[in-house]
Amino acid sequence: EAQVTQNPRYLITVTGKKLTVTCSQNMNHEYMSWYRQDPGLGLRQIYYSMNVEVTDKGDVPEGYKVSRKEKRNFPLILESPSPNQTSLYFCASSFGQGRVAFFGQGTRLTVV
Amino acid sequence: SQELEQSPQSLIVQEGKNLTINCTSSKTLYGLYWYKQKYGEGLIFLMMLQKGGEEKSHEKITAKLDEKKQQSSLHITASQPSHAGIYLCGADYAGGTSYGKLTFGQGTILTVHP
Repeated sequence: EAQVTQNPRYLITVTGKKLTVTCSQNMNHEYMSWYRQDPGLGLRQIYYSMNVEVTDKGDVPEGYKVSRKEKRNFPLILESPSPNQTSLYFCASSFGQGRVAFFGQGTRLTVV
Repeated sequence: SQELEQSPQSLIVQEGKNLTINCTSSKTLYGLYWYKQKYGEGLIFLMMLQKGGEEKSHEKITAKLDEKKQQSSLHITASQPSHAGIYLCGADYAGGTSYGKLTFGQGTILTVHP
């Protein structure tokens, strides 16, 4: 089944403790993105990747890192999480412009 | 102000009623995507529109993109409780350089009472 898989689905952590949210897609898509969804602000892009080893900042990249060492994986790294990073995070992948973007199930992160 | 505005922000209807959700862009769209989201869950792709005047339907849901490619509407006929959720429109603006990025509206929360 074609899908984008995120892990974990739920995570509660403390301020400053490094964490990684994994994202994997099995559709051989070139493009992958991370979004965060917050009430009243909608979905905003954090980082995106055009292909292996090619990444760039989205609209709200501060406090996040990403890597794309393999085509199928695009992990989101929070080196020192803060409470303002409490949010619902989505990974998405697509073949690019004009093609449908498929989204993962989301990761609900709470930073206390 | 938002680049992409959705209206209404929330909608409560009785089962069987028709409804329309609008998505208005401040600039010309390259493409417009409609997604549905159950609260706290992932986004399910509904439809993609790219050509001015284009209209697509799936089951009881119809989406249209206006001729100027700045406004889209999503229409549900004879709504059912299974239609309840958050409807999101996503815009592809860049015309060749978007790298798959979508700019989203704030969403419309739809409640359907049996």
